[in-house]
Amino acid sequence: GAVVSQHPSWVICKSGTSVKIECRSLDFQATTMFWYRQFPKQSLMLMATSNEGSKATYEQGVEKDKFLINHASLTLSTLTVTSAHPEDSSFYICSARSGRNYNEQFFGPGTRLTVL
Amino acid sequence: EDQVTQSPEALRLQEGESSSLNCSYTVSGLRGLFWYRQDPGKGPEFLFTLYSAGEEKEKERLKATLTKKESFLHITAPKPEDSATYLCAVQGLYTGTASKLTFGTGTRLQVTL
Repeated sequence: GAVVSQHPSWVICKSGTSVKIECRSLDFQATTMFWYRQFPKQSLMLMATSNEGSKATYEQGVEKDKFLINHASLTLSTLTVTSAHPEDSSFYICSARSGRNYNEQFFGPGTRLTVL
Repeated sequence: EDQVTQSPEALRLQEGESSSLNCSYTVSGLRGLFWYRQDPGKGPEFLFTLYSAGEEKEKERLKATLTKKESFLHITAPKPEDSATYLCAVQGLYTGTASKLTFGTGTRLQVTL
């Protein structure tokens, strides 16, 4: 149980285009989903927290207009990187928390974004 | 602000050579300390949650312990398949986002034959 999937697993796009990444909880309802970014050999940095049906809460320094997050259902959250630039190239990972165990987060496999 | 420091940054062990990874943390109030395993190009895989000083948890060759200032991940008789990056994270009681995890930079473990 507690499986989280992400799609796509990797994506290459041209500078200036937008990219959407999906995060799904497959066998549980995720009341809260989290989006992280990880640069090579660095730690996971929380970008934003999204609760189903409400606006996402962004961490300090994360541009909400650039990283659009939608959490339309209890099993799906999306992250859209708008007008992507090479510096947005990174490994994006989502996690999900169910209502049963408030403390545990289950992570997706990640999405590698490369902006040319 | 919650902080997590992991050491060593990298560790190379021979198969069967036991060792420990360290996670030092500062947090205003600890809701939980988490250990994850991350393989290259993959998301973190949950290992343990520790909630209070003195608590210990075991899973196969791994054992996690917790004090008020640090946590250790003990690896007994490691095998090559234990090679991965081990991440430590804390969840504070008083962070703005109740479930926010603050991660360390991890320890890259390589176990050789």
